[in-house]
Amino acid sequence: DAGVTQSPTHLIKTRGQQVTLRCSPKSGHDTVSWYQQALGQGPQFIFQYYEEEERQRGNFPDRFSGHQFPNYSSELNVNALLLGDSALYLCASSLDGFSYNEQFFGPGTRLTVL
Amino acid sequence: GESVGLHLPTLSVQEGDNSIINCAYSNSASDYFIWYKQESGKGPQFIIDIRSNMDKRQGQRVTVLLNKTVKHLSLQIAATQPGDSAVYFCAEIGSSNTGKLIFGQGTTLQVKP
Repeated sequence: DAGVTQSPTHLIKTRGQQVTLRCSPKSGHDTVSWYQQALGQGPQFIFQYYEEEERQRGNFPDRFSGHQFPNYSSELNVNALLLGDSALYLCASSLDGFSYNEQFFGPGTRLTVL
Repeated sequence: GESVGLHLPTLSVQEGDNSIINCAYSNSASDYFIWYKQESGKGPQFIIDIRSNMDKRQGQRVTVLLNKTVKHLSLQIAATQPGDSAVYFCAEIGSSNTGKLIFGQGTTLQVKP
């Protein structure tokens, strides 16, 4: 049983470009949350998707958007990239997104903006 | 604002010793806390959790202590092993409806052989 998978592993972009990151949740999970982890920091919540809708959003600008597909996989899109968007982007999946259900994290996508 | 913080950025211990990693949280209404371990190149991995109606919970070689009076969490690792070397984060649930996690900055645990 595969856990949470993310693609690509690494990505290099230049300022102003757009990027799409992908996440496949753990089998049986229907909720996907995205986190941004800057170097040396703890992960910061971006948003959560459940039933193909954004259910909660953290303190991130509208340049960050997402999508969830009927098979529960998810994409994170970032437009007009800034140098400060360089980070590890983590996807976590859970069942129902209920607070006490364990969230399983993927290995992340390392985004570098030049 | 929302924040969970850790007292020390790096902890170095001798193999076989016990490790204690501390964490302070700011939201007195938080009722669920989790410790995660993150190894280089990997995502955070669940270690142990505790709810606010408990003050201690034990797992395999790990114990979490919760002091609600001073809003303090600690993670104790018994007989620390080289494989325990990683960054450790405490996290609290920021929203009971969605399980939004609020992470601290992290403590790097270095185990010396």
